[in-house]
Amino acid sequence: QQQVKQSPQSLIVQKGGISIINCAYENTAFDYFPWYQQFPGKGPALLIAIRPDVSEKKEGRFTISFNKSAKQFSLHIMDSQPGDSATYFCAASLQGAQKLVFGQGTRLTINP
Amino acid sequence: SQTIHQWPATLVQPVGSPLSLECTVEGTSNPNLYWYRQAAGRGLQLLFYSVGIGQISSEVPQNLSASRPQDRQFILSSKKLLLSDSGFYLCAWNPRGPGELFFGEGSRLTVL
Repeated sequence: QQQVKQSPQSLIVQKGGISIINCAYENTAFDYFPWYQQFPGKGPALLIAIRPDVSEKKEGRFTISFNKSAKQFSLHIMDSQPGDSATYFCAASLQGAQKLVFGQGTRLTINP
Repeated sequence: SQTIHQWPATLVQPVGSPLSLECTVEGTSNPNLYWYRQAAGRGLQLLFYSVGIGQISSEVPQNLSASRPQDRQFILSSKKLLLSDSGFYLCAWNPRGPGELFFGEGSRLTVL
């Protein structure tokens, strides 16, 4: 119940296309859903996050869509660029808990 | 400003040798600190976390240990490394809650 399942494992998108990464969870007590971006040889960095009281959050080309009834959330990258090529992790946290539950990661490649 | 430092950045160690990785945080007090491991092409595995000096929670039983001798210092150790200990080790802290982790640059360990 503490798992976050992420798909796909890898994704190739053409430059200018839309990249979509999906995550699903079981524990309805999760109350914060961040996405992290990791470039090769670097630590992950917080990209964007959402709370379950909203259905969508947009920051520039990055949008989180959240479906509370389906217990799913997804990251959309509009107008994908080669510089977006990285590994993306979704995650979830519980109020009062001291740790995040991470998805398995998606390696995104944007072809020029 | 708040920063996190990790060292060494890279190390190659023989099987059976000891290990010490160090992480320090600047610009804050009483942070929650975390050690993650990332095997090649894999996800983020939480190893240890600490909510205060001397307080260590272990997530995965193994031949690694962690200590927090000072408020802003977190150390990952092993008495005898195994081949399976190879990986990318990441220290992290959360200034605003469990969902918003800030990661260090990582320490890449190769055990031969």
